[in-house]
This record gives sequence, C-alpha cells and structure tokens, in this order.
Amino acid sequence: DAGVIQSPRHEVTEMGQEVTLRCKPISGHNSLFWYRQTMMRGLELLIYFNNNVPIDDSGMPEDRFSAKMPNASFSTLKIQPSEPRDSAVYFCASSRDRDDEQYFGPGTRLTVT
Amino acid sequence: GEDVEQSLFLSVREGDSSVINCTYTDSSSTYLYWYKQEPGAGLQLLTYIFSNMDMKQDQRLTVLLNKKDKHLSLRIADTQTGDSAIYFCAETHSSNTGKLIFGQGTTLQVKP
Repeated sequence: DAGVIQSPRHEVTEMGQEVTLRCKPISGHNSLFWYRQTMMRGLELLIYFNNNVPIDDSGMPEDRFSAKMPNASFSTLKIQPSEPRDSAVYFCASSRDRDDEQYFGPGTRLTVT
Repeated sequence: GEDVEQSLFLSVREGDSSVINCTYTDSSSTYLYWYKQEPGAGLQLLTYIFSNMDMKQDQRLTVLLNKKDKHLSLRIADTQTGDSAIYFCAETHSSNTGKLIFGQGTTLQVKP
C-alpha cells in the first residue's frame, strides 16, 4: 500500500484565498484524522471521521475551516478565507478503526502571506 | 482536561542510551504511544503500550509505564545519528473515541 497520500505537499497562497487540502487514506481504513502542527501549539487534532461521518470537530478553529469526506477514499480540508495565522503543516492520518494505530501522511506545508 | 507534557530537547552522544520522558494526566488512557517525526516528514508510530503493562521492549526500544505516577518513558539503546528526530508521546482520549492527545515533542540530537 502507498500509505496515506496528501496533496499538495506545499501550498503558498495569499491572505483571503481559498485553500483546499486533500487526503487519501489507506485502503480499508475506516477512520480519518486531520491534524495541524505549529511551533507554538504543537500537534492539534482538528477533526476526525469514522466511516465517513464526522465524529469530533471540536478542534476546528473557526468557521473558516471545513472538512468533508464524501467517500471512504477521499477527504478534504478547506480554509476559506485563509489568513497568515493558518500557516502550518497539516497532517492527515488514517486507522483501520478508531482505536487502532494511526498512520500519518507526509503533510501539507501551508504558507499564507 | 487531558494534558501530555514532555521536555523539549535532549542531546546525547552516539552509542549512548537516550531516555525521553513524558507525563500525562488522563488516568483512563487505554494506550500510550511513541511517535517519531523526522525533518519534513509525517509522524511514524514507533511503539505503543497498553495501560495494563509496565514495560515493553522492541529491539533497541524500551517503553516503561508508571501508571501510578502517570509517567511514560522511551529508552533508545545504542543511539545512532539516524535516531535524531522529534519524538512525540501520545495518549488516547478518555472518551475512547480514537482521539489522540499529543505532547509537544522532544527533539533528540545525537552527536557523533
């Protein structure tokens, strides 16, 4: 298996623009997690899905952030409008089931200028 | 709420043992994890321990869990330069939903 796939790997955008991050979980995994990593706040869970259904979105910072999982093999994290403080590395992870080992993707480094 | 604390930095010489420590607050955690993050990469699960265990050994890695003190440690024997990375401790959320709470990460620097 190719592991968790994220795209793009790097994204540079201007403040106010819409940003969409994409994730393909490992085939057969039922849970998907979106994390954000910054120097100041470390690694934070934003939202996670189980069987394509959002279970806990309490980590989503603001209404500017939204996440979808239209099917078992694809998820998006959208920021609209983006702000400089959204600059971070965004990781997607998946697990076979919610309590199983989480496998992380390589991350998307987002820079908002 | 749940909290996981780690020291931020550790420097050792190649060949020495490294011990990375972690404390957590949620006594109902079922699993505790150690993840490794190399520069520019995602997190890689190194090992984990179930909360009813005291110790787990996996090749050069030894995990010790003191549940009474809510203290977890990762010992790396014969540390190599390739072990230089950030190490994250994580616990499962008490709601048992698969949510992980991560520490801030410990940067391990291995000097030749």
